[in-house]
Amino acid sequence: GAVVSQHPSRVICKSGTSVKIECRSLDFQATTMFWYRQFPKKSLMLMATSNEGSKATYEQGVEKDKFLINHASLTLSTLTVTSAHPEDSSFYICSATGTSYEQYFGPGTRLTVT
Amino acid sequence: AQKITQTQPGMFVQEKEAVTLDCTYDTSDPSYGLFWYKQPSSGEMIFLIYQGSYDQQNATEGRYSLNFQKARKSANLVISASQLGDSAMYFCAMREGGQGFSFIFGKGTRLLVKP
Repeated sequence: GAVVSQHPSRVICKSGTSVKIECRSLDFQATTMFWYRQFPKKSLMLMATSNEGSKATYEQGVEKDKFLINHASLTLSTLTVTSAHPEDSSFYICSATGTSYEQYFGPGTRLTVT
Repeated sequence: AQKITQTQPGMFVQEKEAVTLDCTYDTSDPSYGLFWYKQPSSGEMIFLIYQGSYDQQNATEGRYSLNFQKARKSANLVISASQLGDSAMYFCAMREGGQGFSFIFGKGTRLLVKP
């Protein structure tokens, strides 16, 4: 099946710094990519939807200026957590969809803000 | 209103037995897809099975089958012959309309397989 990668898999950063998470579709062109956030033992919460070449659509309650999403190409989307705080610590998962019904998930990135 | 409801926060099953994980959904869109994902402790999401709203037969994938009851809006996952490696979180998800729409996830069911 299709493969989606995320980098890094784990990141620890200091409060106030920014961190970038990359999501890549390795063997297909992802017209749409999604970013989710998961709190421990809870369901996935959709943060934003990004289409290649256009601005991301954010879900209600998600700060656009804090969670910057760029979908520069059909194989790459990035999520930048700006001025990170400990409450931003979470598991972030991206997914990508191409021409099939399937949505392919990345392995996730665990962010810890100290 | 919740669109995807998983009423079992946690379940136990004995190894080699079958288990059913419940999922009900709510949509007015005639075209939708229903998915089940497994999330082990590593966090990655593993696709298990898919059922389209127009599919006539229940989906099956190896030990996984989806009991699709459209009139009742339920899409229960049945795992046959449980294995220790099946212990994980299981999420039911729905996507309405076209491919560009995101998934709506249920809250998940934690399954623990006992030896």
